[in-house]
Amino acid sequence: GIQVEQSPPDLILQEGANSTLRCNFSDSVNNLQWFHQNPWGQLINLFYIPSGTKQNGRLSATTVATERYSLLYISSSQTTDSGVYFCAVDPTGNQFYFGTGTSLTVIP
Amino acid sequence: EAGVAQSPRYKIIEKRQSVAFWCNPISGHATLYWYQQILGQGPKLLIQFQNNGVVDDSQLPKDRFSAERLKGVDSTLKIQPAKLEDSAVYLCASSPGTMNEQFFGPGTRLTVL
Repeated sequence: GIQVEQSPPDLILQEGANSTLRCNFSDSVNNLQWFHQNPWGQLINLFYIPSGTKQNGRLSATTVATERYSLLYISSSQTTDSGVYFCAVDPTGNQFYFGTGTSLTVIP
Repeated sequence: EAGVAQSPRYKIIEKRQSVAFWCNPISGHATLYWYQQILGQGPKLLIQFQNNGVVDDSQLPKDRFSAERLKGVDSTLKIQPAKLEDSAVYLCASSPGTMNEQFFGPGTRLTVL
């Protein structure tokens, strides 16, 4: 099956810092989503981005489908950004495969 | 618009007991998914429904897990009998169709003692 790798696995930032999270996948995909899992376990949709670039406030994402990677940018990080960030890819239109996650801690 | 609803939020049972989880998807969403998330890992798909039909259940341990979506709306996932390794968060998600964005419920945290 498709392999989905995220980096870095862990990240500690000072409040106000910027960061880039990466998602690499081993096969072509039809769909890609980025999620934030908060400390209470809720998966929150960030972006639905099979290709191209999107921005939402301090967050933006870029997917280069031909090169099989996606990037999530977090600018001016806040303590509420802490949690685990997952990318999930769908190669066939039938099933999403989740990556290994990046655990982010933002320190005041 | 109401999100995906799940109940219960927490459940503690002893091994060999049975347990059932309920999910109500976003209104009008045809596709419903059940995922298992073990601590420290990403969610893993157990079963996918399109309306009341099963699209993919290849990763569902069918000897002990079962799921149904009889009227194409809400769904139940059952484990019988439970094992220690079933301790996890069970997440339900829905989407308008199979090629669309998924939306997740709050999950049910299961502890098997």
